[in-house]
Amino acid sequence: AQKVTQAQTEISVVEKEDVTLDCVYETRDTTYYLFWYKQPPSGELVFLIRRNSFDEQNEISGRYSWNFQKSTSSFNFTITASQVVDSAVYFCALSEWGYGGATNKLIFGTGTLLAVQP
Amino acid sequence: DARVTQTPRDKVTEMGQEVTMRCQPILGHNTVFWYRQTMMQGLELLAYFRNRAPLDDSGMPKDRFSAEMPDATLATLKIQPSEPRDSAVYFCASGLVLAGVPDETQYFGPGTRLLVL
Repeated sequence: AQKVTQAQTEISVVEKEDVTLDCVYETRDTTYYLFWYKQPPSGELVFLIRRNSFDEQNEISGRYSWNFQKSTSSFNFTITASQVVDSAVYFCALSEWGYGGATNKLIFGTGTLLAVQP
Repeated sequence: DARVTQTPRDKVTEMGQEVTMRCQPILGHNTVFWYRQTMMQGLELLAYFRNRAPLDDSGMPKDRFSAEMPDATLATLKIQPSEPRDSAVYFCASGLVLAGVPDETQYFGPGTRLLVL
């Protein structure tokens, strides 16, 4: 069964600290996509990154970086030098490529609330 | 800056009333999704369409919910009759899926916050 687990319900850090949000997934497929979305207090869901199962290269975008490890079924997200504006709920999600084409359903984790204190 | 739009942004209604939520996907996207977010269930998929055809609505309570795409620029989600347990934020998302290309990112609208009294 497909499942995404974000074990950290809430994380609180002080500005400029680094923080890592954990994501562990379960899937039977060999082809799949992993995503991170950000949900700030305003409520919208903002796409951050997509990774496919064949690309295990880590990615860095500014202060954000992602570590994808198939061996541990993890897709962790690190924010370096956190800022108050990073305060949000962050969701990890999984999408499978089913027979005949992508199923495209996103299976979301329960989210991690990140609070960055000034 | 292409975005998914949703109307209304907020809706308060009384139990038993019909509620219609609308979504305009990003121009050119061929897949539209409806999600519901609640504290208890988190984000859950209700239904989705590709090229306006419904592909999966197994997440939707069939007796009161219905989803349609009258045209490529409009998706609707209706609840009739509404119940207090339907109170949630309803998100629409759109994406572009090309035949044989396993590549798709879903872009979300701002959501419709529904409160059923």
